[in-house]
Amino acid sequence: GENVEQHPSTLSVQEGDSAVIKCTYSDSASNYFPWYKQELGKRPQLIIDIRSNVGEKKDQRIAVTLNKTAKHFSLHITETQPEDSAVYFCAPRGAGNTPLVFGKGTRLSVIA
Amino acid sequence: ETGVTQTPRHLVMGMTNKKSLKCEQHLGHNAMYWYKQSAKKPLELMFVYNFKEQTENNSVPSRFSPECPNSSHLFLHLHTLQPEDSALYLCASSQDQRVTFSGANVLTFGAGSRLTVL
Repeated sequence: GENVEQHPSTLSVQEGDSAVIKCTYSDSASNYFPWYKQELGKRPQLIIDIRSNVGEKKDQRIAVTLNKTAKHFSLHITETQPEDSAVYFCAPRGAGNTPLVFGKGTRLSVIA
Repeated sequence: ETGVTQTPRHLVMGMTNKKSLKCEQHLGHNAMYWYKQSAKKPLELMFVYNFKEQTENNSVPSRFSPECPNSSHLFLHLHTLQPEDSALYLCASSQDQRVTFSGANVLTFGAGSRLTVL
């Protein structure tokens, strides 16, 4: 099965700074790479995803980059705001019809 | 509401009780999932159903028994649970389990059922 590692496990940044969270995976056949955000007391929600034929995708202040050779992908948040404070999960999709396997999460705190 | 509804939202049960968690979606999705969320393992996959057929059982103890009577409903039957089973149980759905086209594999989560086993 897919082994997923997220780093760091916690991250504190000043408002306005950038945040980067990295996810490494083991299955070289993985082809789908999403990031989910879970605010305190709420359900996880997809914020951005990328497929294996694309190296980077951007949506306003968030972006995801993929390095298939090194088997990792990263979430980038620029100009962080207090509402970005949440736990972020990566969930790389392995080969075939295997379901998403979530990383252990990164708790991001944006300090005003 | 996201379109995935879970009931009950909170449940307290003794170790000898039998109870069930219910999940319902009217998004037209064909895949439904149970995840367990605890401090130890933040989002642990338990079961997957795709077009009503169970496709994944992630080595879940038999005291958890899933049921999927149709693509819109998913149950988790609980029997003889242990205190360490106390957690938030999240249901999710997606259009399809397979990554066949854009958005098909995006998970929509319910709000969860908070279970406490005494």
